[in-house]
Amino acid sequence: DTGVSQDPRHKITKRGQNVTFRCDPISEHNRLYWYRQTLGQGPEFLTYFQNEAQLEKSRLLSDRFSAERPKGSFSTLEIQRTEQGDSAMYLCASSFGNSGANVLTFGAGSRLTVL
Amino acid sequence: QQPVQSPQAVILREGEDAVINCSSSKALYSVHWYRQKHGEAPVFLMILLKGGEQKGHEKISASFNEKKQQSSLYLTASQLSYSGTYFCGTESEGSNYKLTFGKGTLLTVNP
Repeated sequence: DTGVSQDPRHKITKRGQNVTFRCDPISEHNRLYWYRQTLGQGPEFLTYFQNEAQLEKSRLLSDRFSAERPKGSFSTLEIQRTEQGDSAMYLCASSFGNSGANVLTFGAGSRLTVL
Repeated sequence: QQPVQSPQAVILREGEDAVINCSSSKALYSVHWYRQKHGEAPVFLMILLKGGEQKGHEKISASFNEKKQQSSLYLTASQLSYSGTYFCGTESEGSNYKLTFGKGTLLTVNP
């Protein structure tokens, strides 16, 4: 078990460019979450998948954000036409879905800086 | 809605105790507690389920008042390694496994 892996760990981009982050969850986990965290704040929910189905997407999420989880394995989060306000840490987490405890395991995150 | 945590920050000396509180305006199914050290990912500490089931660490305990939709995390005989930001995450009734986090409580343990 190698944990949740995220790539890249750091990304610096210019405003208006597109960026894509990848998350590889723990292999037996069927749920995958994306969160955004800014300095001094808690993780803010963006979206989550159960297997390959995207079950919920935050209403606060702009149409510039899209996420996929083909075949229910890894996931990608793409941000189009980045803005300075998109600068944040993007956290991926996964969990094994059964009744009862839904414990999330987080990856180390992908830090985005938009210049 | 985002759960509310208090206090926002607390400073302790090694060996002292601390309590961190988390409250929600929604009926909760579960409360999760995570600790995040600077520059690292949040790490799971404790989960409390409606109905009283509890899973977590040895030296950290928590309570869940289902009627008041409140949870408290108890850190006893604090160690330097307890320093970090503590987040509560809540699953509301019908939230379909979506976890919403509070803003966090910064805990600093000094020698």
